Amino acid sequence: DAGITQSPRHKVTETGTPVTLRCHQTENHRYMYWYRQDPGHGLRLIHYSYGVKDTDKGEVSDGYSVSRSKTEDFLLTLESATSSQTSVYFCAISEIAGRSNEQFFGPGTRLTVL
Amino acid sequence: AQKITQTQPGMFVQEKEAVTLDCTYDTSDQSYGLFWYKQPSSGEMIFLIYQGSYDEQNATEGRYSLNFQKARKSANLVISASQLGDSAMYFCAMREGEGESGGSNYKLTFGKGTLLTVNP
Repeated sequence: DAGITQSPRHKVTETGTPVTLRCHQTENHRYMYWYRQDPGHGLRLIHYSYGVKDTDKGEVSDGYSVSRSKTEDFLLTLESATSSQTSVYFCAISEIAGRSNEQFFGPGTRLTVL
Repeated sequence: AQKITQTQPGMFVQEKEAVTLDCTYDTSDQSYGLFWYKQPSSGEMIFLIYQGSYDEQNATEGRYSLNFQKARKSANLVISASQLGDSAMYFCAMREGEGESGGSNYKLTFGKGTLLTVNP
């Protein structure tokens, strides 16, 4: 299994509070991604990174920011959490090498915003 | 328009039978990749199979095969000899383009998923 961990695994917070989710990998993969999963929507890309300090927006980036200061860590921050950000958040990694460049996923973080 | 369409919200199959999960896609790129992932009730995302747009043969991985019909833009997953452990949500996904510029060509777009239930 790809070495990807996410912390925390579960979090309950209140509207308006800042929240930071951490993704940590031990695979030294170049690309890292944050998705959210909601019923009826599948997985939607929030932000992704293609190297240290290189990030870009995905499909649903409003209300989220990211940072990547080290290859192994990719942080997702909700500056002021809202109830619409209640979701399951997945981190994924991939590398250029290999034919398919499949993404490997972390275990997910369940976030509830009250 | 949706880039990945999975028209079957739920499917049922008898144990030991084969089942086909549908996926159609929309892209103007000549080079792209198609993926299937499995998500059991425990929540993890498991990579199953990959098909490149230039691959001439359908991809196979054990009991999984991908029925790739390029002209119809479909990439259906076939699971042979279903097992109870195959009960899960299945997602089709697409990566458009090739190359390394900016990393944008390594993004995946997912369908909404199909919930497969295998009955004993």
